[in-house]
Formats: sequence, C-alpha cells, structure tokens
Amino acid sequence: AQSVTQPDIHITVSEGASLELRCNYSYGATPYLFWYVQSPGQGLQLLLKYFSGDTLVQGIKGFEAEFKRSQSSFNLRKPSVHWSDAAEYFCAVGGANSGNTPLVFGKGTRLSVIA
Amino acid sequence: GAGVSQTPSNKVTEKGKYVELRCDPISGHTALYWYRQSLGQGPEFLIYFQGTGAADDSGLPNDRFFAVRPEGSVSTLKIQRTERGDSAVYLCASSQGPGQGDYEQYFGPGTRLTVT
Repeated sequence: AQSVTQPDIHITVSEGASLELRCNYSYGATPYLFWYVQSPGQGLQLLLKYFSGDTLVQGIKGFEAEFKRSQSSFNLRKPSVHWSDAAEYFCAVGGANSGNTPLVFGKGTRLSVIA
Repeated sequence: GAGVSQTPSNKVTEKGKYVELRCDPISGHTALYWYRQSLGQGPEFLIYFQGTGAADDSGLPNDRFFAVRPEGSVSTLKIQRTERGDSAVYLCASSQGPGQGDYEQYFGPGTRLTVT
C-alpha cells in the first residue's frame, strides 16, 4: 500500500539556520512527489513538485527538495529559515503512471522558528 | 484567475443532522478531489471525480458519505446522520485532466465541520 512517512512531528530551528525536513515514501509505481505548506487556518500551498528529470527541484520561498529513488526519500531543504516559515509541512505522493490519482499525504511536520 | 473555492468556510451542526459542503473548482479543471483532514493529521483522500463521474470513491468511510458533480464543475459532498467523529476540515482540490498538462492539485481553503 502507498504510504508517506514524515519521521519528525515537530522541529524547532533558529531564524537564519538551515532546515531539512524528512520524507520517505512507499509507492508501487513511479511516483509524483510534492511538498505542501499549511499555515494556521489556511489552505495547502504547493512548495514544489517532482514529476521527472532533474532530481533536485527548486520551489517557492527558497525551498528545494531532492528525490533519491534508492532511498525512497524526498527531503525538503532551505539554507536559511525565516520566521515566516513557521507552519505545517506535508509531503505527498501520487502516481506518475496513472495520471490523475489521489495524493497520499504524510502526517506532517510542524516547524517552529525561534529568534 | 480564481482558485478553488469552498463554502461554507465553517459549519457547526448537531449530531444526526445532514450537511452539504460545496466546492467550486478552477475553471476548466476536469479532475476534482475531496480530502478530509482531522486535527493533527495529513489530508486523507475521500473521492475523486473525472468529469461528472466518480472515478474513485474508495476513500469514503461509509455509506453516510456521498458526493456528486452533476455538470462536471461544482461538486457537493453530502454527509447524512452526522457523527462527532466526522468533525474535521474537508478539503477540495482540482487539477487538469489526462493529457491536458501536469497533474498538480490546487487546494481550496477547506470547510471546517464541527459536529456537536
């Protein structure tokens, strides 16, 4: 069965420090991979996505993620965190070969940013 | 252009009542998805429409839940005999259909349902 694991429930980083949020997936076919961010009371905003090609993908707000097929991972990184990055982050996987498929989400990682 | 919209933004209902939640997808998007997000969890898939038909309803938890999309645009999620466990944020997303581009799903702001 398809699944997404985000091992860290809550991470706290200092403003200006680097960030890495982990995501591991289990999917029977070639995956499409996504990272979404959700601020309190807000909807899901897409940060970046991987469909094919270059395994290092750039997203909005200075985020990037690297697809590592051998490790079934799609970790999200940012070199310098801003206080406004505090939010909930969700990794999701869908089926590349099947086109429109429902996404399977991880349980999320809550990011807190301290001064 | 306009994004995905959902109404109402908040709905409080009593246990046992019937509720309808509405989703307006992005114009031209043929695929529409409903997800449910419980507190502290990621969104969980409920049902997916391609055009007017439900292509995959495997995520609906039981027969109290039903969704329609009669004209291939607006969709309504219907919940009968609501239970307190139905309390959650119900998210709608839309995307382009097969062969029309990538399959990025655009999410609405959600409807927060509270069953008392």
